[in-house]
Amino acid sequence: EAGVVQSPRYKIIEKKQPVAFWCNPISGHNTLYWYRQNLGQGPELLIRYENEEAVDDSQLPKDRFSAERLKGVDSTLKIQPAELGDSAVYLCASSLDPSGRVETQYFGPGTRLLVL
Amino acid sequence: AQSVSQHNHHVILSEAASLELGCNYSYGGTVNLFWYVQYPGQHLQLLLKYFSGDPLVKGIKGFEAEFIKSKFSFNLRKPSVQWSDTAEYFCAVTAGTALIFGKGTTLSVSS
Repeated sequence: EAGVVQSPRYKIIEKKQPVAFWCNPISGHNTLYWYRQNLGQGPELLIRYENEEAVDDSQLPKDRFSAERLKGVDSTLKIQPAELGDSAVYLCASSLDPSGRVETQYFGPGTRLLVL
Repeated sequence: AQSVSQHNHHVILSEAASLELGCNYSYGGTVNLFWYVQYPGQHLQLLLKYFSGDPLVKGIKGFEAEFIKSKFSFNLRKPSVQWSDTAEYFCAVTAGTALIFGKGTTLSVSS
């Protein structure tokens, strides 16, 4: 079974440029998560989707970050414009989560972003 | 707000030594607890989890963790570490469906 797929694996951009990250969850997983992991820290949730609906985006900086999961499968996270402080690893995870029950989250390899 | 504390930032052990990594959380309600591991160059993987039942849970590769509700703790243990256990270890808790992670503990095992 394929795991969570993310691309690109690495991205270097200059500040004020836009950037987008893509995630394909494990087949059949209806819940998708985006996390940000700063250096020396644990991952922090940015947004959670159940199918197409963003059910928790309270930690997403909405002035510059946006996300979508149009068909309830793949998801894209965008930053526009990027700032120096956005340098981090962006992780995507997925889980079954039937009826909101807690399930194990499976993580992708992440996208390491460096903003210069 | 819920939080997770991992008191050991970096642990250095020799092979065959015993391991215990501390994890404490702050939340008064029902929690689900996890330990994830990230080997060098790899993604986060589930090591073990506690949802309910026996507070002593066993995971992969000989790891175990004990949930002590009165101490709000979920410490990770392994009786004899191997060089291949060198990795970063994250404790996480859910209250609801969001995962709250600790800052992680880097384990370095020398052969």
